[in-house]
Amino acid sequence: QQQVKQSPQSLIVQKGGISIINCAYENTAFDYFPWYQQFPGKGPALLIAIRPDVSEKKEGRFTISFNKSAKQFSLHIMDSQPGDSATYFCGGTSYGKLTFGQGTILTVHP
Amino acid sequence: DAGVTQSPTHLIKTRGQQVTLRCSPKSGHDTVSWYQQALGQGPQFIFQYYEEEERQRGNFPDRFSGHQFPNYSSELNVNALLLGDSALYLCASATASPTGNSPLHFGNGTRLTVT
Repeated sequence: QQQVKQSPQSLIVQKGGISIINCAYENTAFDYFPWYQQFPGKGPALLIAIRPDVSEKKEGRFTISFNKSAKQFSLHIMDSQPGDSATYFCGGTSYGKLTFGQGTILTVHP
Repeated sequence: DAGVTQSPTHLIKTRGQQVTLRCSPKSGHDTVSWYQQALGQGPQFIFQYYEEEERQRGNFPDRFSGHQFPNYSSELNVNALLLGDSALYLCASATASPTGNSPLHFGNGTRLTVT
């Protein structure tokens, strides 16, 4: 059972543009929604996370928008930079068990 | 402050063999989880250890087993290796919380290749 669906699979953005990645979840027991960034040869690194009682969270250039009724959430990367080129994973956590989405490969062209 | 460390970084094994992967959690963390990441996929939860006991388990066969030591470090053992076990194995640590939802910190993984 695929519990977190992520889209798009890949995304190409120009430097300075906005990158948007979307996720939808099925498991209503999820109560913590993190986003991870992974570079080749490295483990996932926590980028930003949100709890379902909050509709938006912003940290620097990164913003999560959360819609509990629709069971959807998204990551917005403002002023995208070539250094942001990586694979991004959304996830949902229930009692410490993190279920990841399939990942989005982001490429930011200079 | 060292983060999550895993060893070895790479490993090549033959079908049918057994393998042990090791993980030291981030300082101050007492919960360790293991994930399997196939190429081009998101990590899949294998199991979680806290207080030296397996607390949760994902959809992995009994060939996958683990252990947590009193110093919170952990091992992942895989028996009777199959070609499909080839993947990046990630260890993640966290501090225990009532909801179990403390942020997970990942190591850089062990790349296992089964031939």
